[in-house]
Amino acid sequence: QMTQSPSSLSASVGDRVTITCRASQSVMNYLNWYQQKPGKAPKLLIYATSTLQSGVPSRFAGSGSGTDFTLTISSLQPEDFATYYCQQSLVVPRTFGGGTTVDIK
Amino acid sequence: QVQLVQSGAEVRKPGSSVKVSCKASGDTSNTYSLNWVRQAPGQGLQWMGAIIPIFGAPTYAPTFQGRLTITADKSTGTAFMDLSNLGSEDTALYYCVREHSSLKFAAFDSWGQGTLITVSS
Repeated sequence: QMTQSPSSLSASVGDRVTITCRASQSVMNYLNWYQQKPGKAPKLLIYATSTLQSGVPSRFAGSGSGTDFTLTISSLQPEDFATYYCQQSLVVPRTFGGGTTVDIK
Repeated sequence: QVQLVQSGAEVRKPGSSVKVSCKASGDTSNTYSLNWVRQAPGQGLQWMGAIIPIFGAPTYAPTFQGRLTITADKSTGTAFMDLSNLGSEDTALYYCVREHSSLKFAAFDSWGQGTLITVSS
């Protein structure tokens, strides 16, 4: 089971934003992050805890290991307002966190 | 990169079944799994199951065991998701998703456009 916090947050452009994800048991570094905008399919942002998918801006960063993980957006941009999901890919069934919605303050 | 094109929206009555297709193109390696992930209106993402097209053996989330069947036609690169005994709680957007994996990672890197399944009497 994957637990994200917070479930939502309000932030301003330029803010540093941190989202946490906790696994009920170790997933080693098999932790991914996705971004979903309204009406769109999710998009892979970060895989294997900290590796940016091709084309993802460097303001996104992932860290952690075992059971505790973090997604950080160093300076929030207008296009970053979206919902973010963590997901473990160590075991089946694959499981997602409940999501964190980042909206405009 | 692989492109995933899904079949169109469907409306079904409670107790019936639905079959959704997903055609993959652009990656001929076949060394990936095709997964089904659904999203109920206003809700999060739920993994349903997966299949590796070249092997054909599916895996299912326990929640769907017994009413979900995932198959693949490796000659055409198409996967199918068949969900039976539908209830209103199955109303959702269903995504076909490729999982790209190696020894060090596994991640959903390509998503279909989604297929809306509405269950209503």
